[in-house]
Amino acid sequence: EDKVVQSPLSLVVHEGDTVTLNCSYEVTNFRSLLWYKQEKKAPTFLFMLTSSGIEKKSGRLSSILDKKELFSILNITATQTGDSAVYLCAVGRDNYGQNFVFGPGTRLSVLP
Amino acid sequence: EAQVTQNPRYLITVTGKKLTVTCSQNMNHEYMSWYRQDPGLGLRQIYYSMNVEVTDKGDVPEGYKVSRKEKRNFPLILESPSPNQTSLYFCASSYRGYVSPLHFGNGTRLTVT
Repeated sequence: EDKVVQSPLSLVVHEGDTVTLNCSYEVTNFRSLLWYKQEKKAPTFLFMLTSSGIEKKSGRLSSILDKKELFSILNITATQTGDSAVYLCAVGRDNYGQNFVFGPGTRLSVLP
Repeated sequence: EAQVTQNPRYLITVTGKKLTVTCSQNMNHEYMSWYRQDPGLGLRQIYYSMNVEVTDKGDVPEGYKVSRKEKRNFPLILESPSPNQTSLYFCASSYRGYVSPLHFGNGTRLTVT
């Protein structure tokens, strides 16, 4: 059975801290790994990773994929209270990569 | 504005009363899907559709039906809702091809009493 595991499940930090969120997977026919941020409503897209070792960056957020060890990390530097959210990891499978399986999410709380 | 629109946003119903949650996208996406989100379990896929008249089961399809008669619409049907279907439901869409991320609707919170 395909599985995506995220750790930690919950994390509390103070503004300015750097955090690393982990996502590991066991999925047949891997195509891509995606990170989403979910505040009160719909998940919003952060990154899509398909190749190992290539870092994707957007401002203070960055992510990298290791297809040999089957994991990805999401780094957030100089955290702000606006980073408080649930961060979801999803893996695309099947021939078209759009049959996604999601992890349970990491709930990040950033205190002022 | 490019978006995925779900209706209703909130729904309270009773066991056994058939209901439909609508989903529409204006991005000409081929792929559409439904997820339910429950605490501690994350998002679980119910059904997905690769194109008009092409649908397939996801990981938790029991108790749900879908149809894809038009490219833009993908309604979720609960023929006989039960309390264990109380959940937050999301519709999502994307272009076909494995480099296309999912775009989500704003969710439908369903309560079945």
